[in-house]
Amino acid sequence: QVQLQESGPGLVKPSQTLSLTCTVSGGSISSGDFYWSWIRQPPGKGLDWIGYIYHSGSTYYNPSLKSRLTISKDTSNNQFSLKLSSVTAADTAVYYCARAIVGVIDYWGQGTLVTVSS
Amino acid sequence: NFMLTQPHSVSESPGRTITISCTRSSGSIANNYVQWYQQRPGSSPTTVIYEDDQRPSGVPDRFSGSIDSSSNSASLTISGLRTEDEADYYCQSYDSSTNWVFGGGTKLTVL
Repeated sequence: QVQLQESGPGLVKPSQTLSLTCTVSGGSISSGDFYWSWIRQPPGKGLDWIGYIYHSGSTYYNPSLKSRLTISKDTSNNQFSLKLSSVTAADTAVYYCARAIVGVIDYWGQGTLVTVSS
Repeated sequence: NFMLTQPHSVSESPGRTITISCTRSSGSIANNYVQWYQQRPGSSPTTVIYEDDQRPSGVPDRFSGSIDSSSNSASLTISGLRTEDEADYYCQSYDSSTNWVFGGGTKLTVL
């Protein structure tokens, strides 16, 4: 059974960089035809796709976030990470990491709330 | 890019059948698979339908999915509604550039 767990600061100041890590257990992020993904959900709102990293290392980003976004992976620790720069209050959300096969998400993390505030 | 439009909310009585629509704004709904996710309050989403009409193991056959090219939309149908089906439902698809798109979500109330 694959499990994903997000970790990182719950509070980030405006203009700073939001950094989150997703630790994967029960499967290797280097094997299989999987897309290791980030999705966010502002409080009381719907789901927004952030981006993903393919097992090969190729990355695909939401065009609206591309200029501020970096997704990377650490195969030695079976983790992948999100960095979002120059954050504002609009970036306040629950951030989920997830695994997908093509465009189908089969496993989700429990989510972590990140608040952008001074 | 395209948008997926869902009704904001729907409601129905227990035991009845409800259908939630998801309309694609541009490009054919048949071009790329549609998925449906259920999100109960305080929980992560889970997949109830993938690849238009496929049910993951463990999802009851009360849940079904379809697409309609004439209306360029996908639908999630839940029959024999139960109070436990009360949740938010999101459709999701992707485009040829591998960008993902989520619908805005539909709140299902089982009265």
